Amino acid sequence: QVQLVQSGAEVKKPGASVKVSCKASGYTFTSYDISWVRQAPGQGLEWMGWISTYNGNTNYAQKFQGRVTMTTDTSTSTAYMELRNLRSDATAVYYCARGGSSGPQGFDYWGQGTLVTVSS
Amino acid sequence: QSVLTQPPSVSGAPGQRVTISCTGSSSNIGAGYDVHWYQQLPGTAPKLLIYGNSNRPSGVPDRFSGSKSGTSASLAITGLQAEDEADYYCQSYDSSLSQGVFGGGTKLTVL
Repeated sequence: QVQLVQSGAEVKKPGASVKVSCKASGYTFTSYDISWVRQAPGQGLEWMGWISTYNGNTNYAQKFQGRVTMTTDTSTSTAYMELRNLRSDATAVYYCARGGSSGPQGFDYWGQGTLVTVSS
Repeated sequence: QSVLTQPPSVSGAPGQRVTISCTGSSSNIGAGYDVHWYQQLPGTAPKLLIYGNSNRPSGVPDRFSGSKSGTSASLAITGLQAEDEADYYCQSYDSSLSQGVFGGGTKLTVL
């Protein structure tokens, strides 16, 4: 069965960086893009960007350009999202999801989420 | 301010029908990009409910249906059940922003 398993919760200080992993199983990793979505406490979903697992191409939301990097390791079927220069408003649950931003299939499988807390 | 506009809340009694609207513009829904809907139960990850405007993934009851017209889309839920109480989000792509976009979410309350 398809699974996306994310790394555990993180606590970071303002200005630091965080790197969240998303390990895929149950399907051919390079056949589907991976997107990242975040949700601040009590707020809605926010699309951060996506990465092609086939060739590494990326597309980041304007809000995160220059501060986010998405990568993959096809040897371990793992996607990564690194967010730099964290501010307190980066406190959120970060999700990986299978699918690209404009595909016809939507985000059909989601990771369990990783809580990132930014606090001094 | 979300690019896609949803009502903050809707409610209905068990057995009733409710609809949730998702209003966009000519650079997203109106440009022909697909609309997808997600259900998020409290404390859990979102779940794909409708993809490609009106298609249900395997396992999603046919009580849930989606439609799209012009610059808007709608999610309809018939035969409302207590377990449907959740947050619902629409999602599409915006060509002006060159990025995926979500609606602000709608909280469904089953009375």
